[in-house]
Amino acid sequence: GQNIDQPTEMTATEGAIVQINCTYQTSGFNGLFWYQQHAGEAPTFLSYNVLDGLEEKGRFSSFLSRSKGYSYLLLKELQMKDSASYLCPPERGGSQGNLIFGKGTKLSVKP
Amino acid sequence: KAGVTQTPRYLIKTRGQQVTLSCSPISGHRSVSWYQQTPGQGLQFLFEYFSETQRNKGNFPGRFSGRQFSNSRSEMNVSTLELGDSALYLCASSLRAAGLDTQYFGPGTRLTVL
Repeated sequence: GQNIDQPTEMTATEGAIVQINCTYQTSGFNGLFWYQQHAGEAPTFLSYNVLDGLEEKGRFSSFLSRSKGYSYLLLKELQMKDSASYLCPPERGGSQGNLIFGKGTKLSVKP
Repeated sequence: KAGVTQTPRYLIKTRGQQVTLSCSPISGHRSVSWYQQTPGQGLQFLFEYFSETQRNKGNFPGRFSGRQFSNSRSEMNVSTLELGDSALYLCASSLRAAGLDTQYFGPGTRLTVL
């Protein structure tokens, strides 16, 4: 089976740093995506991790530990526009390549 | 390059009717996946089409069906609509089969069933 676990909601202050954790259980793991979804809009691609370690992309960084089935998304210098849901679907590849999304983490950034 | 487009953006139907939604992938992309998103269930996978063939299917009843045309455009159909089918329907395209490439989402079709 496949399971994704993320906090349902988080709140942070503008200018701060926030870490959104994601644990997953899946067969045939290839890598892990992070998507951002603003309310009423489509998810947009943020990052993809296939190797262990931290990948930095501007204010956003994503970390992966394959052995622990664990990832996190780190958002620095939070801005109001970062208020959104964050999704971490694992990629399974091959014939079961479809993404399985959890319910995501809803992040609220307050002034 | 134009992104994924979906039509219509909004739709209101009544129970028992059927509906057809359309998705045009990014030019050159051959895979189209469909998802249903509701507040209670999050994003759930419906099916994936690659080169006009259904590659993968989620756990939805047979009322949900789809197809893909030779130009990679895809349609999904829902027959005998139920109130619970009210949701945001998203399609996503990728260059290669899903699982081998990043998926890019369209804006979605918001379906309301009355």
